[in-house]
Amino acid sequence: GENVEQHPSTLSVQEGDSAVIKCTYSDSASNYFPWYKQELGKRPQLIIDIRSNVGEKKDQRIAVTLNKTAKHFSLHITETQPEDSAVYFCAARDSNYQLIWGAGTKLIIKP
Amino acid sequence: EPEVTQTPSHQVTQMGQEVILRCVPISNHLYFYWYRQILGQKVEFLVSFYNNEISEKSEIFDDQFSVERPDGSNFTLKIRSTKLEDSAMYFCASSQSGVGDTQYFGPGTRLTVL
Repeated sequence: GENVEQHPSTLSVQEGDSAVIKCTYSDSASNYFPWYKQELGKRPQLIIDIRSNVGEKKDQRIAVTLNKTAKHFSLHITETQPEDSAVYFCAARDSNYQLIWGAGTKLIIKP
Repeated sequence: EPEVTQTPSHQVTQMGQEVILRCVPISNHLYFYWYRQILGQKVEFLVSFYNNEISEKSEIFDDQFSVERPDGSNFTLKIRSTKLEDSAMYFCASSQSGVGDTQYFGPGTRLTVL
């Protein structure tokens, strides 16, 4: 089955700097890759997603890139702000139509 | 904006007891899901449900678990004979169409098994 690896587990960046979180997946048939943001004690909320027919997608300060050949995808957050502090999860929909999640990255924005 | 709702927010039960977790998906959504998140760990897929039947289920979703849509609005997860390791946050989610569509999550039910 699908295996999603996510790195780093913790990322600390200065406010205003960029943050990059990387994920790899194993199932070459996976074709949908969402990113969720989860604040402490809250529900996961979709922040951006990408489908396998697209290499990059951007929404204001957030962008996602996908390399199907290498089977990895990344989340980029520019001009980070204190409210970006949260745990971020990547996920991949595998050939069994299940959404398999990464282990999460705790993003800390330092003032 | 419509949201997925879940009740209760926190459920405490004794080991061996049965619990039912309830969800009300977004009204025009057709696909429903349950996920589990053990404290500090990743979100794990349990089951997806469409057209009144299970579409997919993970290895976690064994005979101890069942899902039901008893009426036009509720979607329930039943856990029989709970174990200590069932303690987790359980999230319900729904999407308008298939799994590739955006899934909207409920606030979760924290289940504590004593």
